Amino acid sequence: SAVISQKPSRDICQRGTSLTIQCQVDSQVTMMFWYRQQPGQSLTLIATANQGSEATYESGFVIDKFPISRPNLTFSTLTVSNMSPEDSSIYLCSVEEAGGPFNEQFFGPGTRLTVL
Amino acid sequence: EDKVVQSPLSLVVHEGDTVTLNCSYEVTNFRSLLWYKQEKKAPTFLFMLTSSGIEKKSGRLSSILDKKELFSILNITATQTGDSAVYLCAYMEYGNKLVFGAGTILRVKS
Repeated sequence: SAVISQKPSRDICQRGTSLTIQCQVDSQVTMMFWYRQQPGQSLTLIATANQGSEATYESGFVIDKFPISRPNLTFSTLTVSNMSPEDSSIYLCSVEEAGGPFNEQFFGPGTRLTVL
Repeated sequence: EDKVVQSPLSLVVHEGDTVTLNCSYEVTNFRSLLWYKQEKKAPTFLFMLTSSGIEKKSGRLSSILDKKELFSILNITATQTGDSAVYLCAYMEYGNKLVFGAGTILRVKS
């Protein structure tokens, strides 16, 4: 399976600031996704990162708050903008490799964000 | 509304015990069901199930899907302390998006 890295691994930020999280894959992948896991909760999909076009956001998530880039098939960024303590979560990227109609999704190591 | 329900929410067992984790789902655009193990931050992929009645195995772990009754189980035999984790079940819908259940917290005591 693809090797996925995320940077930073963790960060502590002040409210009102922004943080950009990077997701790098060691091979080209067809699909990349960004998830959030709030404390004590399960994973929730934020958006699908589309290569060369605007991301597709899930209900409750907007581009102004979570702008996403995907300039190529191996890299994506998620920015958490104008942060508040409610944004304290683990942010995870996942990838789906090219292949048949049913492909496993693998997750990166995650970024633990704390907003003070 | 589509959803995934896992049970039990948590359990504590002793090393060597066998455990069965349950996942039921209600979804209109089902493609596949996936199981993950989460120990710290990153969920680790365990299984992906697309067809009913076909058991998938990996060492002491196995899983099966029943698409008629809309559930899946994850079995762990001869549990070890290293199996202690949160086990997540998710279905994949069209668009390849994953919808997760709340997870089952498993603690294996030595």
